[in-house]
Amino acid sequence: GAVVSQHPSWVICKSGTSVKIECRSLDFQATTMFWYRQFPKQSLMLMATSNEGSKATYEQGVEKDKFLINHASLTLSTLTVTSAHPEDSSFYICSASSSRGSGELFFGEGSRLTVL
Amino acid sequence: RKEVEQDPGPFNVPEGATVAFNCTYSNSASQSFFWYRQDCRKEPKLLMSVYSSGNEDGRFTAQLNRASQYISLLIRDSKLSDSATYLCVVSRGSNYKLTFGKGTLLTVNP
Repeated sequence: GAVVSQHPSWVICKSGTSVKIECRSLDFQATTMFWYRQFPKQSLMLMATSNEGSKATYEQGVEKDKFLINHASLTLSTLTVTSAHPEDSSFYICSASSSRGSGELFFGEGSRLTVL
Repeated sequence: RKEVEQDPGPFNVPEGATVAFNCTYSNSASQSFFWYRQDCRKEPKLLMSVYSSGNEDGRFTAQLNRASQYISLLIRDSKLSDSATYLCVVSRGSNYKLTFGKGTLLTVNP
């Protein structure tokens, strides 16, 4: 079946550094990808919708200058957490829908970010 | 009011028990409904979609009541491997933007 891969699975960084997380659709083209964040014991919260070839759409309360999203190809979207701080420590998960509109959404394995 | 609300849990049940999860959603424009399962520190995985007529997949039965804006999941003959957090998920349409409930943790004990 379709697979969405995220990298890295986990990352530890110092406060103030930037971290890039990649989300790839491995065997299908994804015109749209979604980025979620999940804090411990909380629900997944949609951060932004990433559209291939155009600007991402951010949810209310999500700073677009802090969470940079690039969706330059039909198989890759990246999320860059700029100038990360400890409060950005979270589980970041991407999901992708097939451009064929099969109706199913596929999730990446998630990336756990810890900012010291 | 949260857009998707679930039983707070946690649920601790013995193997073989039947367990039911309840969920309500606030947006009457919601069109698609799902149950996802999430293991600890893992990504959510689709368990089943929920249809108006109700649907069953083996030991799992999902039901939807649009009038009450209520969704349920019933697990029969629970197994140890059913231990996970169960997420009620709602979508407004075909753009696949999902709204997740907080999840209900289930632990099935031997």
